[in-house]
Amino acid sequence: EVQLVESGGGLVQPGGSLRLSCAASGFTFSDYDLHWVRQVSGKGLEWVSFIGTAGDTEYLASVKGRFTIFRENAENSLFLQMNSLRAEDTAMYYCARGYFSGIDHWGQGTLVTVS
Amino acid sequence: QSVLTQPPSVSGAPGQRITISCTGSSSNFGANYDAHWYQQLPGAAPKLLIYNNNKRPSNVPDRFSASKSGTSASLTITGLRPEDEADYYCQSYGSGLSAYWVFGGGTKLTVL
Repeated sequence: EVQLVESGGGLVQPGGSLRLSCAASGFTFSDYDLHWVRQVSGKGLEWVSFIGTAGDTEYLASVKGRFTIFRENAENSLFLQMNSLRAEDTAMYYCARGYFSGIDHWGQGTLVTVS
Repeated sequence: QSVLTQPPSVSGAPGQRITISCTGSSSNFGANYDAHWYQQLPGAAPKLLIYNNNKRPSNVPDRFSASKSGTSASLTITGLRPEDEADYYCQSYGSGLSAYWVFGGGTKLTVL
């Protein structure tokens, strides 16, 4: 069974940093693209970042230069290093597995509050 | 404002058929990028409903179907059930200027 378990969320002051982690199991981690998607409470989904199997990355314009996505295939783990956090980064952050150009599995999310 | 435009809400009675539209542009659907659809039940993570415009994962009932034409995509649910009440999102590639991937703003389905 595919599982994605996020951790690392919490309360942080504006300008602070957090590192989100996503522990994956149930599939060959290195074979899949991965994403971070966030959702403000009561609002819609917003794509944040992508990392391909070759380590290529993409970012939402508003987080570029502040967030860094990386993966450790040997540990079956995905990370999102978030620096210079702003109030508008407050959201539930989901780790997700890419499937074709969509997503076929999502974690349960980790809540980030910047205040 | 989302690059992909969905109606904020739709509703239908049990057993009825509803359609949710997703309007894109020449930068996504019109450039032959695929549409994907997700269902998010209250308090839960999203779930893949449709991928590659019209393909259903094996765990999704055939009451759910979708299509894409030109710069628009649509999701249809037939035989509406109370448990279908959820938020539905479309997704595709973005224009690349602000986002590599984009989601629609979401549509709240109410089963009357």
